[in-house]
Amino acid sequence: DGGITQSPKYLFRKEGQNVTLSCEQNLNHDAMYWYRQDPGQGLRLIYYSQIVNDFQKGDIAEGYSVSREKKESFPLTVTSAQKNPTAFYLCASSIGGGSFNEKLFFGSGTQLSVL
Amino acid sequence: GNSVTQMEGPVTLSEEAFLTINCTYTATGYPSLFWYVQYPGEGLQLLLKATKADDKGSNKGFEATYRKETTSFHLEKGSVQVSDSAVYFCALFSQNTGNQFYFGTGTSLTVIP
Repeated sequence: DGGITQSPKYLFRKEGQNVTLSCEQNLNHDAMYWYRQDPGQGLRLIYYSQIVNDFQKGDIAEGYSVSREKKESFPLTVTSAQKNPTAFYLCASSIGGGSFNEKLFFGSGTQLSVL
Repeated sequence: GNSVTQMEGPVTLSEEAFLTINCTYTATGYPSLFWYVQYPGEGLQLLLKATKADDKGSNKGFEATYRKETTSFHLEKGSVQVSDSAVYFCALFSQNTGNQFYFGTGTSLTVIP
């Protein structure tokens, strides 16, 4: 089945540690996105990528980094500079190119907590 | 700029009650509009969409009509079930501002038997 796979489901970070969240899609989508969701709040865009080897900062990029070396993969690293990383992280993808048929497909999320 | 405003929650209804969740938007050009649903501990799933004025999106008994004159996309369902308990997000996609999606803050719905 086609879809988006996020791993791990739960992740714990120690003080001063970098952690990487995985996101893989087999939908052949060009565009991929990372969102952060805090309890009772909406989604905030961290980074997005419209094409391989290119990505742009979203609204809350500070303390995060990404790479897009392959079309299928868009890993997110939460660095030690992110002082409040506890949140639910959602990866999404879309066809890309700005067509009228654009819609987001989401993974099942990663819950990151600080030890 | 682009933005989405949703009705504040939480909303609690009895089973078989009528549901309306209000959503209004601000956008340049002609955005596509969406409703997504999120069940606890999961990602968001597309519920329905509409791509132009007066279009009606529908799925699983839910409906929403793209009203350009009132810049609204209210979600409705005639008879809710316990299984409809979830958080609902209104969203728009704009080609005019870098092909971005914009989300409302979400409305939590609880349906009691």
